[in-house]
Amino acid sequence: AQSVSQHNHHVILSEAASLELGCNYSYGGTVNLFWYVQYPGQHLQLLLKYFSGDPLVKGIKGFEAEFIKSKFSFNLRKPSVQWSDTAEYFCAVMGTSGTYKYIFGTGTRLKVLA
Amino acid sequence: GAVVSQHPSRVICKSGTSVKIECRSLDFQATTMFWYRQFPKKSLMLMATSNEGSKATYEQGVEKDKFLINHASLTLSTLTVTSAHPEDSSFYICSARDRRRGHSYEQYFGPGTRLTVT
Repeated sequence: AQSVSQHNHHVILSEAASLELGCNYSYGGTVNLFWYVQYPGQHLQLLLKYFSGDPLVKGIKGFEAEFIKSKFSFNLRKPSVQWSDTAEYFCAVMGTSGTYKYIFGTGTRLKVLA
Repeated sequence: GAVVSQHPSRVICKSGTSVKIECRSLDFQATTMFWYRQFPKKSLMLMATSNEGSKATYEQGVEKDKFLINHASLTLSTLTVTSAHPEDSSFYICSARDRRRGHSYEQYFGPGTRLTVT
């Protein structure tokens, strides 16, 4: 069955600490990969996406993610977090079979302490 | 650009009544819209895929007769929860795919609707 796993459910960091959120997927085929962020009281916003090409993808607000095909992973990173990064982060996978459906991970709630 | 709105943002209804939630793409046309349900501290679960002018495709386990979806135009999809029960209380989120960006596959999300059934 297709699935997405986010192993870190809650993460607490101090400002300026480095961040890495794990995302692993199970899907039998070519995928497109996404990271979305949901700030408190706001709707989901796209952080970055991978379709093809360079497996290291840079997104908004200093975030990046690396697609490692052999590990079925798409981990999100940021070298130095800020208090304003406090939010919930969702990894999503979309197969390329034409339905455009996303499968979301369970989300990681990040709290950055000032 | 690429803004999706939902109305209402919150609704409280009595058990047995029906509730309609609207999802609109404000500045683009959406051939495909998606409806999700988000449980507390859990992920977004896709309920159905809505294509303009055709019947919605429901995910396994989602009751078609309970969650009626209509995608009457390229900018509007509606989700009607019929004969609502307390277990239908949840956060419902819609998203839309911009038809102009045929190769981006990106979905734009609405702010969600909090449904409480008493």
